[in-house]
Amino acid sequence: QQKVQQSPESLIVPEGGMASLNCTSSDRNVDYFWWYRQHSGKSPKMLMSIFSNGEKEEGRFTVHLNKASLHTSLHIRDSQPSDSALYLCAASGTGGLSGKLTFGEGTQVTVIS
Amino acid sequence: GGIITQTPKFLIGQEGQKLTLKCQQNFNHDTMYWYRQDSGKGLRLIYYSITENDLQKGDLSEGYDASREKKSSFSLTVTSAQKNEMAVFLCASSMQGDQDTQYFGPGTRLLVL
Repeated sequence: QQKVQQSPESLIVPEGGMASLNCTSSDRNVDYFWWYRQHSGKSPKMLMSIFSNGEKEEGRFTVHLNKASLHTSLHIRDSQPSDSALYLCAASGTGGLSGKLTFGEGTQVTVIS
Repeated sequence: GGIITQTPKFLIGQEGQKLTLKCQQNFNHDTMYWYRQDSGKGLRLIYYSITENDLQKGDLSEGYDASREKKSSFSLTVTSAQKNEMAVFLCASSMQGDQDTQYFGPGTRLLVL
């Protein structure tokens, strides 16, 4: 079973609208959550990370983390066509110094004009 | 800043063939990773290495070997390519630690005929 579950699998958002993506880890040893964005044909790039309970905002992007439920969410406001991409959630912190990430299957976001 | 290069960009092989993929980074990062990404899916960890000559298996190591002869390079070998296998192999690197961002190379696309 996938240790990092993302929902929905895909999302269509009108330009200017809000996109909300969810991610939950079933591994209670994780401490850190990451959101990567991958445009078609490109490699993943780190978008935001969150390590503490609460909320973090960077421009049009906001992430929330609830450590008790190991749930994180990513919200994109005023969505633009350039936000169309695969959004990958990852978790780390299983001990040791490896920085090993466990990824979810991703949410495919399509922003339509 | 730094860069990760992967060679070759495209790799076409025959069933049963041994194939080698190479990765170089100039970030001076300690840890390097190999992931496999099937079309439109999440990333699965094959091998990682926290220092020169170190190797650690990921969840998908069966059918693969890896080698880290020096800090800047990490190679992956597909020991016996499977027919109809098609995936992108992504190399990544990070400083040592669970809070350090992983940076990805452009990927090697594999097709087995």
